[in-house]
Amino acid sequence: DTAVSQTPKYLVTQMGNDKSIKCEQNLGHDTMYWYKQDSKKFLKIMFSYNNKELIINETVPNRFSPKSPDKAHLNLHINSLELGDSAVYFCASSQVGSGGPKFNEQFFGPGTRLTVL
Amino acid sequence: GQNIDQPTEMTATEGAIVQINCTYQTSGFNGLFWYQQHAGEAPTFLSYNVLDGLEEKGRFSSFLSRSKGYSYLLLKELQMKDSASYLCAVLDSNYQLIWGAGTKLIIKP
Repeated sequence: DTAVSQTPKYLVTQMGNDKSIKCEQNLGHDTMYWYKQDSKKFLKIMFSYNNKELIINETVPNRFSPKSPDKAHLNLHINSLELGDSAVYFCASSQVGSGGPKFNEQFFGPGTRLTVL
Repeated sequence: GQNIDQPTEMTATEGAIVQINCTYQTSGFNGLFWYQQHAGEAPTFLSYNVLDGLEEKGRFSSFLSRSKGYSYLLLKELQMKDSASYLCAVLDSNYQLIWGAGTKLIIKP
């Protein structure tokens, strides 16, 4: 019954490794997002994606890549992990449009706490 | 550029009222959201304003003035469980959510 789920909840890994975080939404939304929240608690958009368009925050290193096997999934792959990648990563989804308050509200997954050693 | 400003931290007393302000400058406007985020948890939706005025929902109210680029979240009868961060976010002309840095609200007994 979980609307937006992501796995794993915790991820501890060594510098230089490659890792993936999975995200799934069962809300039928057309757009999914990845956010990074660092120790200062600022929520920073990394990507937004629907089946037509990928919007990348230009400040995101190209070591980060979103992969969407279908409309309900948006996974985050990270190559060559660095210490500064340690943060909580949130997946979210929404139905984008002009249809009023039921549109554009973003529903968040529980977050993945990534620690790079 | 796009910018959303809100205070970094506020402190209030249990049972009291607190107002958290948010000012914004964005490329277009399609609505303003307030989210609540408890420590270690995901943000959750509180309110949405697209027209000027006050929207009331229980102990929480949200106000919007589009001409001033200003909103506030009003929390009444504060409870300890209201200790959280409150995030202001504006939907721009491309339906992208632009997030503020959040206001950490500390409630004291």
